[in-house]
Amino acid sequence: GAVVSQHPSWVICKSGTSVKIECRSLDFQATTMFWYRQFPKQSLMLMATSNEGSKATYEQGVEKDKFLINHASLTLSTLTVTSAHPEDSSFYICSARAGTGGAYGYTFGSGTRLTVV
Amino acid sequence: KQEVTQIPAALSVPEGENLVLNCSFTDSAIYNLQWFRQDPGKGLTSLLLIQSSQREQTSGRLNASLDKSSGRSTLYIAASQPGDSATYLCAVKGNRDDKIIFGKGTRLHILP
Repeated sequence: GAVVSQHPSWVICKSGTSVKIECRSLDFQATTMFWYRQFPKQSLMLMATSNEGSKATYEQGVEKDKFLINHASLTLSTLTVTSAHPEDSSFYICSARAGTGGAYGYTFGSGTRLTVV
Repeated sequence: KQEVTQIPAALSVPEGENLVLNCSFTDSAIYNLQWFRQDPGKGLTSLLLIQSSQREQTSGRLNASLDKSSGRSTLYIAASQPGDSATYLCAVKGNRDDKIIFGKGTRLHILP
């Protein structure tokens, strides 16, 4: 089945530094990937849609300059949290679909726990 | 705007019981509906996907039904086990774009 690999699983960084999170589709090509943020005991909040070869589409209220998304190939999207602050601490998850038909669901990565100190 | 609601928000049942988790959505023009499981601190694991033309899907002890006209889906778990303890999320994909809309989830605790 479709597999999405996300790395790292957890990261601790100092306030003011930048952190990059990778999301890879291992056995399929993904022209579109999605980045979510999840706060404790809450559901997932879509941050942005990552499009291969073009600019990402950000949801309302998400800072484009804070959360940089790059989708340079059909199997890799990256999310960079720039100038991180403690309020950016959260669980970040990516997802993708292996196809476009109705039988194709979304596959999620294992998530990245970011802690900014 | 599509809204997805899951009831109950939390559920604790003794091991061995059969149980039903509910998901409702406001816009019946859906492409498909997916049930996920999330363990604490982990990503989402897809359990079942029901296409808009389907009424139900089964996998092992899990059965998901879809009544598109009434905007409802249920996830039935038979003979529950402590390992079933997790948060279960329902997500709906519409016809207009590639986004999926999540419910807030049901936190399930199976008591040994």
